[in-house]
Amino acid sequence: QQPVQSPQAVILREGEDAVINCSSSKALYSVHWYRQKHGEAPVFLMILLKGGEQKGHEKISASFNEKKQQSSLYLTASQLSYSGTYFCANKASGTYKYIFGTGTRLKVLA
Amino acid sequence: DAGVIQSPRHEVTEMGQEVTLRCKPISGHNSLFWYRQTMMRGLELLIYFNNNVPIDDSGMPEDRFSAKMPNASFSTLKIQPSEPRDSAVYFCASTSQGSDTEAFFGQGTRLTVV
Repeated sequence: QQPVQSPQAVILREGEDAVINCSSSKALYSVHWYRQKHGEAPVFLMILLKGGEQKGHEKISASFNEKKQQSSLYLTASQLSYSGTYFCANKASGTYKYIFGTGTRLKVLA
Repeated sequence: DAGVIQSPRHEVTEMGQEVTLRCKPISGHNSLFWYRQTMMRGLELLIYFNNNVPIDDSGMPEDRFSAKMPNASFSTLKIQPSEPRDSAVYFCASTSQGSDTEAFFGQGTRLTVV
C-alpha cells in the first residue's frame, strides 16, 4: 500500500537536475510532495490533483499520471538548500488518509 | 497561528513505563494524523481522526498503543507498556477537511525507550 519511490538516494552537483518518481498500487485522487531536512518535520512542497498538473515552485515542478498511478518531481538547477529527503504522499478518493512513500534522499554538493 | 504543537520534544523512558505524547492541531483543522518515523519503516500512518472521531486506526501496531481526541484542540497518543522497539520520532499533523490541502506537521517527539 505504501507508494514506492525511486531512486532511493541521489547525489547532485549544484546546478544539476534530478527526477524523483513515485508509484502507487492504488487508484489515486491526489499526490502531495514533501521535503524533510534532517531533524525537522516534513514540509509541504506541492499538491497535484487528479486531472491536473500543478507547479508549486519556480524550479521544482511535478507531474501526475493518474492512469499509471505515478507522479514525478522535477528539480532543475538544484541548489544546496534542496538537500533533504523527499516524500510523496498519496490520498485515495473518498478518504482523508495520506500514505507516505518510501522516501528519496537527495544531497546537493557545492 | 503557532502551527501544530507537540509535546514533549524528547522523551526517554524505561521499558514497561507508560508514555503519553500530546498534540495541539492548528485551530480550525478538522483532520488529525499520528505518524511514526523510523529508519527502517519510514513514515507510517498510525491513526487519523476526522472531527475528533477516529476513522482509521489500522496502522496502530499493537494494543499497547491507543489514541484519543477529546476535543478539536487536543489529541494524545499513549503507549502502555512501552518497549525498546517503540523508539522512533512520532509526528502529529493536521489538515482542513473538505479541501485537498497540505498537511501541517508538528516538530515531532523523539521517543527513546531503554
